[in-house]
Amino acid sequence: DGGITQSPKYLFRKEGQNVTLSCEQNLNHDAMYWYRQDPGQGLRLIYYSQIVNDFQKGDIAEGYSVSREKKESFPLTVTSAQKNPTAFYLCASSPYPMAYGYTFGSGTRLTVV
Amino acid sequence: ELKVEQNPLFLSMQEGKNYTIYCNYSTTSDRLYWYRQDPGKSLESLFVLLSNGAVKQEGRLMASLDTKARLSTLHITAAVHDLSATYFCAVDISAGNNRKLIWGLGTSLAVNP
Repeated sequence: DGGITQSPKYLFRKEGQNVTLSCEQNLNHDAMYWYRQDPGQGLRLIYYSQIVNDFQKGDIAEGYSVSREKKESFPLTVTSAQKNPTAFYLCASSPYPMAYGYTFGSGTRLTVV
Repeated sequence: ELKVEQNPLFLSMQEGKNYTIYCNYSTTSDRLYWYRQDPGKSLESLFVLLSNGAVKQEGRLMASLDTKARLSTLHITAAVHDLSATYFCAVDISAGNNRKLIWGLGTSLAVNP
C-alpha cells in the first residue's frame, strides 16, 4: 500500500543535541512538506520541497534543516539552534502541481528532556 | 495578509444535535479541503471541494464551498461520539504553477452523551 512513513513515533532530545526525523513516501509524489503542530496553533510550515535537490523555507524555518536527495525521502533535522523544539511534527506529500491536497504521515512527537 | 478563520475553535455538543463549523478565508481560491485529526494522530482527508457550489457528504458530515463569499461550511447532522476530533480547513492558494495550503487553526469538537 502507498503511503508516508514517519519515524520514530516518539523522540526525546537532550538540550544542545541535533536530531533527525525521517519521512519516506512511496506515492511517487514530487512535493513534500514538513509542518510543526503546537496546541492551539494549528499547522505551521517549516520547509517544503517540490523537486529533488531543491527546497524552500516555510514560515518557521529557523533552527531546522532539510535535504531532498531522493524523491522518496525528506528528512528534517532539528538543530540545537531551535530554542523550543518540543512539538508534534507532521510530514506530508502531494503531486506537483498539487491537485487534491496533501497526504500526511503519522507524525513524530519530539520532546526535549 | 492571507487568513483562514475557523469558528468556533471549540465546540461541545450533545449527541443527536446538529451544528455547523465555518471556514472563512481572505483571498481568492476555488479549492478547499477539510481534514480530521484525532488526538495524537495524523490528519485524515475528509473532503476535497474543487469549485464554487461544491457539496460533498460522507455519513453525518456535509461540506460546501461558496467561493464568492469565501466561505466553506462543515455541517454535522445528528452528532455521535465518534465524531469527536479536531477539524481543519485548508485553502488552496495558487501562484502560477505553485499551489500551497493555508490552514485554519482547527475546530476542536467534543460530542457528549
